[in-house]
Amino acid sequence: DGGITQSPKYLFRKEGQNVTLSCEQNLNHDAMYWYRQDPGQGLRLIYYSQIVNDFQKGDIAEGYSVSREKKESFPLTVTSAQKNPTAFYLCATFQQGIYGYTFGSGTRLTVV
Amino acid sequence: KQEVTQIPAALSVPEGENLVLNCSFTDSAIYNLQWFRQDPGKGLTSLLLIQSSQREQTSGRLNASLDKSSGRSTLYIAASQPGDSATYLCAVRPGAGSYQLTFGKGTKLSVIP
Repeated sequence: DGGITQSPKYLFRKEGQNVTLSCEQNLNHDAMYWYRQDPGQGLRLIYYSQIVNDFQKGDIAEGYSVSREKKESFPLTVTSAQKNPTAFYLCATFQQGIYGYTFGSGTRLTVV
Repeated sequence: KQEVTQIPAALSVPEGENLVLNCSFTDSAIYNLQWFRQDPGKGLTSLLLIQSSQREQTSGRLNASLDKSSGRSTLYIAASQPGDSATYLCAVRPGAGSYQLTFGKGTKLSVIP
């Protein structure tokens, strides 16, 4: 089955700790994205990558970092510099054509 | 800067009713518009993608229309069912060279049995 796998589904972070959210896809799509979703605020773009070894900041990149070493993988690190990381994080891919964007099932991050 | 608005924020209808969800955007220079469905605690599922040159797209009981000049799109759901209960989001893509989406905040739909 082709799709996007995000792990873990739930993640708890202590104050001052870095955590990494995984996003893996087997759709062979070129572009990958990370969005953050907060209640009442809709989805906001954190980072995106259109090709391997290249990525761009989105609207709310501060306190986050990414890498794109393989086409299939686009991990997101939430650093200690992100002061309010509690949110639902969604990974997506994009391919030209009738399907547009495909989303993963998300990771819920909570600061404890 | 593009802004996408979805009104109402929440909608409750009895089962079997036909309904319309609204999406408006401030900049009519869009490449396409996509409607998504999100169940609680889940990711987004793509429902319909309308290119800027198209007026509408249909999938089963769903029909999405696009009026670029007025900056509006509607999602029509026929014969609603309790399983249609979810949050519906629309998103616009600004241009062929841009792969970023601007999302509305969604309409939370409840279909009452």
